Amino acid sequence: QSALTQSRSVSGSPGQSVTISCTGTSSDVGDYKYVSWYQHHPGKAPKLMIYDVTKRPSGVPDRFSGSKSGNTASLTISGLQTEDEADYYCCAYAGGYTFWVFGGGTKLTVL
Amino acid sequence: QVQLQESGPGLVKPSQTLSLTCNVSGGSINSGSHYWSWIRQPAGKGLEWIGRIYSGGYASYSPSLKSRVSISVDTSKNQFSLQLTSVTAADTAVYYCAREFMRGWFDPWGQGNLVTVSS
Repeated sequence: QSALTQSRSVSGSPGQSVTISCTGTSSDVGDYKYVSWYQHHPGKAPKLMIYDVTKRPSGVPDRFSGSKSGNTASLTISGLQTEDEADYYCCAYAGGYTFWVFGGGTKLTVL
Repeated sequence: QVQLQESGPGLVKPSQTLSLTCNVSGGSINSGSHYWSWIRQPAGKGLEWIGRIYSGGYASYSPSLKSRVSISVDTSKNQFSLQLTSVTAADTAVYYCAREFMRGWFDPWGQGNLVTVSS
């Protein structure tokens, strides 16, 4: 059981938009701005897509965006492309005792 | 561009110690503004943060693993290491090393090292 709750799967057609949610608590997602999202193609290194809730690293397309409301963070991917098909994980800071918590991952299928 | 690569045995016997090393290339582990973390993923499950170390040697650990985990750093070799003692089948996972920015994200990650605990 992961500390952050993500839906197991989501799907969309090329060109469409999808949103992946990540629900935590007032002690992690709700308490800090340190929420990040990672794209993981099996067998490869996870890749940072969003940090500090809304920021995109250099090189990440602006089709990827992040937001947060209360204890739930969200990753929205617009203009879906086939190469976006991957697992996506959220991560949040949970204070100086637990440090970091992750979600269980959401499998994105681009139909 | 910083790159990380994990290395170590792929098979460990129950009750023994799991040892992995992460080699950092393309940058110095002494950067001063990063931590160096270990994260794992059991098959079919989510990611779990194990712990981290600063180049000066100060380490922090997940409360759930703290009694069995030790992370060390060798700045002369530009690498850091993980030791997990008294392993069981529940410790079977892909183990990743990653650079942790002090303001809260992990980038980059290594490709991962599958460790199976089995007799």
